[in-house]
Amino acid sequence: QVTLKESGPVLVKPTETLTLTCTVSGFSLNNPRLGVTWIRQPPGKALEWLAHIFSNDEKSYSTSLASRLTISQDTSKSQVVLTMTNMDPVDTATYYCARTQRITLLRGVIYYFDYWGQGTLVTVSS
Amino acid sequence: DIQMTQSPSSLSASVGDRVTITCRASQSIANYLNWYQHKPGKAPTLLIYAASSLQSGVPSRFSGSGSGTDFTLTIYSLQPEDFATYYCQQSYSTPGTFGQGTKVEIK
Repeated sequence: QVTLKESGPVLVKPTETLTLTCTVSGFSLNNPRLGVTWIRQPPGKALEWLAHIFSNDEKSYSTSLASRLTISQDTSKSQVVLTMTNMDPVDTATYYCARTQRITLLRGVIYYFDYWGQGTLVTVSS
Repeated sequence: DIQMTQSPSSLSASVGDRVTITCRASQSIANYLNWYQHKPGKAPTLLIYAASSLQSGVPSRFSGSGSGTDFTLTIYSLQPEDFATYYCQQSYSTPGTFGQGTKVEIK
């Protein structure tokens, strides 16, 4: 059974650094077809892609947030960690981690999010 | 970044209706398009990947089509459990941008 669970602080102060951990089970972070993506949703707004990481340590970041984000993984602990620096109230959101499946099609490689964690609400306030 | 635009932003429909949601990409993304369903307080779920491939376990009343810049999600015979917000997402390039969502409400 595939599960992902986000953990981290529920409240952070402006300018602080947020550290979120995604603990996965039911699959291996060493699987080259699988990765983990972080996605967030501010209250009442749309989903926003933040960052992803794959087994070969391939990483990618949101264009607008790249300077503030770092994604890493500890395969021995089955964990993926996202840090976001200089938090602001506009970063208040539910943060999700999602298993990312890569498959090869005729035209190339596509990826999609086939399992998601339940999300964790992070509020930024002094 | 590739921009994804969904229409409509919201719609009201009745059980049994056929519902169509469109998604347009700011540039061609071939068939690198996924659809998700999101209910309040729950994790999103994958419905369709690669524009038209139905994810395992998803009811056959959900169907996706399109290629290039224009895509469609169709729900044939809307069921009570289908009232939710639907998002398209491109995976042609990173960042894998989402549309703004389409909320399907009960008429």
